Amino acid sequence: AQRVTQPEKLLSVFKGAPVELKCNYSYSGSPELFWYVQYSRQRLQLLLRHISRESIKGFTADLNKGETSFHLKKPFAQEEDSAMYYCAPWDSGAGSYQLTFGKGTKLSVIP
Amino acid sequence: DTGVSQDPRHKITKRGQNVTFRCDPISEHNRLYWYRQTLGQGPEFLTYFQNEAQLEKSRLLSDRFSAERPKGSFSTLEIQRTEQGDSAMYLCASSRGKETQYFGPGTRLLVL
Repeated sequence: AQRVTQPEKLLSVFKGAPVELKCNYSYSGSPELFWYVQYSRQRLQLLLRHISRESIKGFTADLNKGETSFHLKKPFAQEEDSAMYYCAPWDSGAGSYQLTFGKGTKLSVIP
Repeated sequence: DTGVSQDPRHKITKRGQNVTFRCDPISEHNRLYWYRQTLGQGPEFLTYFQNEAQLEKSRLLSDRFSAERPKGSFSTLEIQRTEQGDSAMYLCASSRGKETQYFGPGTRLLVL
């Protein structure tokens, strides 16, 4: 069964400290991976799509197929990064069009 | 605002009543998705449309749930005989083909 795990429910870091939000997935194929973010009182929005290899708001994510992980990283956390972060694999090769979301990690950046 | 819109934003209903939610996708997006999100969980897929055709349904979508997208534009999600367990945020998203899914603000349902 397709599964995505975000082991940390809450992650608190000080401003300026490095951030790593963990995501592990269990899929039979080769999914495409996304990170979505939801800021307070805003809608869910795309942060990163791994095939684009972009760095958005200083965040990067490396797909490690051997460890089946797609951890989200930022070298220096900012207060405006405080939000809910969701990892979401998409196995388009299986003929499905649904995103499978993890339970999310709440990032709190302490000033 | 040309993003995905949903109506209503909030709905309180009594157990056993029917409710209907509407989603207006970004224009020219041919794909439309419904998700449900309960407290402490990520969004869970419910169903998917390509144009007017409903191509995929989750096992979460019991026979009390029905979704339509009659003209391939807006979509409605109806829940019949609501139960307290239906209380959740119902999210709609749209995309152009396999491109990024853009989410609406959601409709929060509370069943008393």
